[in-house]
Amino acid sequence: GAVVSQHPSRVICKSGTSVKIECRSLDFQATTMFWYRQFPKQSLMLMATSNEGSKATYEQGVEKDKFLINHASLTLSTLTVTSAHPEDSSFYICSARETDYGYTFGSGTRLTVV
Amino acid sequence: GQNIDQPTEMTATEGAIVQINCTYQTSGFNGLFWYQQHAGEAPTFLSYNVLDGLEEKGRFSSFLSRSKGYSYLLLKELQMKDSASYLCAVMDSNYQLIWGAGTKLIIKP
Repeated sequence: GAVVSQHPSRVICKSGTSVKIECRSLDFQATTMFWYRQFPKQSLMLMATSNEGSKATYEQGVEKDKFLINHASLTLSTLTVTSAHPEDSSFYICSARETDYGYTFGSGTRLTVV
Repeated sequence: GQNIDQPTEMTATEGAIVQINCTYQTSGFNGLFWYQQHAGEAPTFLSYNVLDGLEEKGRFSSFLSRSKGYSYLLLKELQMKDSASYLCAVMDSNYQLIWGAGTKLIIKP
């Protein structure tokens, strides 16, 4: 089946620094990728939808200058958390759409900002 | 607005059967998904229903009634490893996934 690789799985960074999370589709071309954030004991919250070669579409309340998304190729999307703060600590998950009905998730990235 | 409701938490006994319900109100409907998510891990796909009726897959079954905006996930012969959160998600008319808050299932010996 379709596989989405997400790295890193865990990252600890200092407040004020930036962190990049990568999401790769390994055996299919993902024209659309989704980035989610999940706080403890809560459901997935869609942050943004990225389409290859165009600007990402951000959900209401998500700062696009803080969460930079780049989808430069059909197999790679990146999320950069800029000037991270402790409140950005969360579980970030990417998802790629292989077909209209096929969604595959990455393994997630646990970000801790200290 | 769009809304998906499912119970916050359920408890069941090992070896028993449990049914997790999901009701939805969305702008359009292109199918309903159930995902399993263990703590600290990403969701994994369980089932997809787009037509009314019951889909059976091993110990797990999923049911859909589009007229009632209702689905359930049925887990049989519960095992301790089934302790997880179960997420209901509906694909709307724009093919976007709308997520429920998830149901935490606790299995007791």
